[in-house]
Amino acid sequence: QKEVEQDPGPLSVPEGAIVSLNCTYSNSAFQYFMWYRQYSRKGPELLMYTYSSGNKEDGRFTAQVDKSSKYISLFIRDSQPSDSATYLCATDQTGANNLFFGTGTRLTVIP
Amino acid sequence: ETGVTQSPTHLIKTRGQQVTLRCSSQSGHNTVSWYQQALGQGPQFIFQYYREEENGRGNFPPRFSGLQFPNYSSELNVNALELDDSALYLCASSGRKSPSYNEQFFGPGTRLTVL
Repeated sequence: QKEVEQDPGPLSVPEGAIVSLNCTYSNSAFQYFMWYRQYSRKGPELLMYTYSSGNKEDGRFTAQVDKSSKYISLFIRDSQPSDSATYLCATDQTGANNLFFGTGTRLTVIP
Repeated sequence: ETGVTQSPTHLIKTRGQQVTLRCSSQSGHNTVSWYQQALGQGPQFIFQYYREEENGRGNFPPRFSGLQFPNYSSELNVNALELDDSALYLCASSGRKSPSYNEQFFGPGTRLTVL
């Protein structure tokens, strides 16, 4: 079983839609949870990070972690064509940046 | 402030050859991590260097080795290249200013093709 599972998509939505991206993880020791965005031919860039359970909001983005079900979510409100990218979830046990990544979900927002 | 840079951008090698990839960390960062990202997959952690010492290693064989230099730049060396080593190799740097989470910044990657 992989440490982090993520539906690879692809996912296509119309501009303005609410996008929901999800991952599950297997190791209950994971404490740090991140969402990265990766544009084509670029390295990943950190969107959100959460420590332990709970919600975190930053503009149009909301990250949720449910440790009881080992479930990680990212919500994008009022999606824009510029949000079209691959979204990667990642987890870390100690905060030392030895990250376990999901496969990535490719998102396309259609104008 | 200069971000994480990697060289070369692209590289083509043949099976059995050796390759060295280079990474310059972001200014002020003393920790460098290397990841392998196969096509259509998420990055996989190879190893991390902190103050010139290996500080954690993923599930990669010993033919993957690295170095970190006093200026915190780093090299990834891969010996006896195999076809499955074809991937995007990502370098990421972070600081160690506090015991809490330190954001990791990724470079653009080196695309390695093994023929």
